[in-house]
Amino acid sequence: LAKTTQPISMDSYEGQEVNITCSHNNIATNDYITWYQQFPSQGPRFIIQGYKTKVTNEVASLFIPADRKSSTLSLPRVSLSDTAVYYCLVGAAIFNKFYFGSGTKLNVKP
Amino acid sequence: DADVTQTPRNRITKTGKRIMLECSQTKGHDRMYWYRQDPGLGLRLIYYSFDVKDINKGEISDGYSVSRQAQAKFSLSLESAIPNQTALYFCATSDLRAGGNLIEQFFGPGTRLTVL
Repeated sequence: LAKTTQPISMDSYEGQEVNITCSHNNIATNDYITWYQQFPSQGPRFIIQGYKTKVTNEVASLFIPADRKSSTLSLPRVSLSDTAVYYCLVGAAIFNKFYFGSGTKLNVKP
Repeated sequence: DADVTQTPRNRITKTGKRIMLECSQTKGHDRMYWYRQDPGLGLRLIYYSFDVKDINKGEISDGYSVSRQAQAKFSLSLESAIPNQTALYFCATSDLRAGGNLIEQFFGPGTRLTVL
């Protein structure tokens, strides 16, 4: 399993764009990059997944450079309710098991 | 009603006791997982099952066992609980038939287990 490295924590203010970068130097050809969000005392929730370049949905954007050794989750105009832990995972659907790591704790301030 | 349910939600037990945590899902998914989460840490995979006849160990299976009684049910047992198994336990499911490489897992609400 490819392991990931993320910042332990980040602070932001309401209305700002937040970018969380994840390193995954040992990513394999079949691996996809997936991000989850977890609120206190709740299970993680899927946010977005991508393989290369850029993916956007109603919640976030995911930027993946050509070498795929890192990725950046972008949250536009965060609000207080975006305060959570964000996990970057790397894995392949065929194996369907993942390394969650410790995640990045995002604290959004008013 | 929740798609992935876990019982009990909270449990306090004593060292040496046998305990079972249960997970049920109504999503019709083939794959089910058990994770544990310790304070301030990420989730670690204990066991996973791709179908009723398929059980696989995860990162930290020692001290745990599982049973996949049906497609919808996956239980986790601690044969002889010890204090360092105190943690938050999550069950999750995913759909083999989701198509492509989507690897979205759906998590239950968690079971908070305390071993005294």
